[in-house]
Amino acid sequence: QKEVEQDPGPLSVPEGAIVSLNCTYSNSAFQYFMWYRQYSRKGPELLMYTYSSGNKEDGRFTAQVDKSSKYISLFIRDSQPSDSATYLCAMSLNTGGFKTIFGAGTRLFVKA
Amino acid sequence: EPEVTQTPSHQVTQMGQEVILRCVPISNHLYFYWYRQILGQKVEFLVSFYNNEISEKSEIFDDQFSVERPDGSNFTLKIRSTKLEDSAMYFCASSEQVQETQYFGPGTRLLVL
Repeated sequence: QKEVEQDPGPLSVPEGAIVSLNCTYSNSAFQYFMWYRQYSRKGPELLMYTYSSGNKEDGRFTAQVDKSSKYISLFIRDSQPSDSATYLCAMSLNTGGFKTIFGAGTRLFVKA
Repeated sequence: EPEVTQTPSHQVTQMGQEVILRCVPISNHLYFYWYRQILGQKVEFLVSFYNNEISEKSEIFDDQFSVERPDGSNFTLKIRSTKLEDSAMYFCASSEQVQETQYFGPGTRLLVL
């Protein structure tokens, strides 16, 4: 079983749709959960950062962490063509070096 | 806005050669990281570095790899004897504290022939 599972997509939605992106994980020791956005041939850019369980909202983005189900989600409201990118979930243990494990990434296309 | 920079943007090398990838982290950041992303695959953690020491490394980071902070601004990744499978995009990242946001550089695309 992979440590972090993420559907690679692609996911294609019309402009204005609500997008739901998800990851599951196997290691219950993960405590820090992140969502990154990566445009083609660019470095990952942090979108959301959550410690432990719960919800976090930032503008059009909402991150949810359900540690009991080992499941995290990112919701994008009112999606825009500029949201077209690859979205990476990532998670870390509470270790000194903050080793971060990434999902494979989901390619999102938002059609105008 | 401060950003992480990396040089070179592209590097082509022959198998068995040594390469050094360079990064300039954000100036007040204390924690530094290297990741790699093989084309079409996921981002993989290589190593984290703090206070001139490796904090944590992955199983990928074997004896062929080393990191160094040679001065107050640069952070380097050296691959001693490159293999074909080292071809990848290498990302440097830095953070102010270990559990804070990591800021990624634009990457160096390494091609080993």
